[in-house]
Amino acid sequence: HLVESGGDLVQPGGSLKLSCAASGFTFSDSAVHWVRQASGKGLEWIGRIRGKPDNYATAYGVSAKGRFSISRDDSKNTAFLQMNSLKTEDTAVYFCSSGQGAIRNHMEVWGQGTTVTVSS
Amino acid sequence: QSVLTQPPSTSGTPGQRVTISCSGSASNIAIRAVNWYQQVPGTAPKLLIYGDHKRPSGVPDRFSASKSGTSASLAISGLQSHDEADYYCAVWDDIVSGWVFGGGTKLTVL
Repeated sequence: HLVESGGDLVQPGGSLKLSCAASGFTFSDSAVHWVRQASGKGLEWIGRIRGKPDNYATAYGVSAKGRFSISRDDSKNTAFLQMNSLKTEDTAVYFCSSGQGAIRNHMEVWGQGTTVTVSS
Repeated sequence: QSVLTQPPSTSGTPGQRVTISCSGSASNIAIRAVNWYQQVPGTAPKLLIYGDHKRPSGVPDRFSASKSGTSASLAISGLQSHDEADYYCAVWDDIVSGWVFGGGTKLTVL
């Protein structure tokens, strides 16, 4: 079970930090991915942070590199997406996703999404 | 423009079998495992297939997938009205060093 929070209306150039709270599985072993979807558009992978067995390795999609960063706090079963220098084209629903067991690094379970609107 | 190419739409009648293609390249589908997702508009995506052809627990065997070379496909047999959704393929790409999604295929059940 994953629950995103932190979505808001923010001005261009601003920053926002999203949270993804997990429950019901061994969070520390699992990767957490962030994926976004603009209204009426397809899915876009933002990035991921792997779990403890994989040394918390991070990777980012093209649109996120240099502006977004992903972190996690396993003690709170929560992952974060820090977004800086936001642009109007970052307006989207942001999902977090994770996996369990043999597919712990996959996008298996998804949250309901949180909405980010970048506008002046 | 997506790294993975899917047809924008497809349709079928109840009980029919439909397939959805996903065309990639040597840096992704040819060497990495493909996942497939189903998304009913307004809801979160759902994992249908991982590792090219494996179904997570709870996904009916009406859903199957295969891969050949740089292309993958998802097949849905015994089409039902609640299969109407958007379907996405996804795979790790070694050139961009990240996951990439297809543009999505809208399935309409007539």
